[in-house]
Amino acid sequence: RKEVEQDPGPFNVPEGATVAFNCTYSNSASQSFFWYRQDCRKEPKLLMSVYSSGNEDGRFTAQLNRASQYISLLIRDSKLSDSATYLCVVNSRDYGQNFVFGPGTRLSVLP
Amino acid sequence: NAGVTQTPKFQVLKTGQSMTLQCAQDMNHEYMSWYRQDPGMGLRLIHYSVGAGITDQGEVPNGYNVSRSTTEDFPLRLLSAAPSQTSVYFCASNRATGKHSPLHFGNGTRLTVT
Repeated sequence: RKEVEQDPGPFNVPEGATVAFNCTYSNSASQSFFWYRQDCRKEPKLLMSVYSSGNEDGRFTAQLNRASQYISLLIRDSKLSDSATYLCVVNSRDYGQNFVFGPGTRLSVLP
Repeated sequence: NAGVTQTPKFQVLKTGQSMTLQCAQDMNHEYMSWYRQDPGMGLRLIHYSVGAGITDQGEVPNGYNVSRSTTEDFPLRLLSAAPSQTSVYFCASNRATGKHSPLHFGNGTRLTVT
């Protein structure tokens, strides 16, 4: 089983739609969680960190369920500019380097 | 601040050639790392460093060498390029402290080995 798994995608949704991405991780010692977005042929950029209580940033809401080892990202009122690949990233250490990346889920928002 | 700067953006090598990918950051981050990204796969860690003079291997270190003589710079050396090293390479940095210290990426180097 891969350490971090994501919905295989791609997701094709119309503008204005709400879309949800799911991610599961296998290492129960994982400490911190992130969603990154990656545009075609560009570097990954941090979208948001994911906190235990869940957090929201504008149209984006992230949730963490430690018991189920599951992370989600909800995008409301999708824009054309949201089209990208969304990467789920998990770090199993309090400090330092054990970032594990999911394979990504591609989103296309259609006019 | 420039953030994380990688050079070159593109490179073509012949099998057996060596080269160095450069990475510099101006955010005074303690940690730096190199990843490769291949189609259909997540980013995979090649090598990382937790401070000047300290490096360690990641998931896919074979064929690569690193050094960290300063906090700012973390070059990646390909010793004898192979077609299997054709990939997109990303350098990243982050702070040592704080559970939610995310990675900051450079804009990548696209390497083709023929």
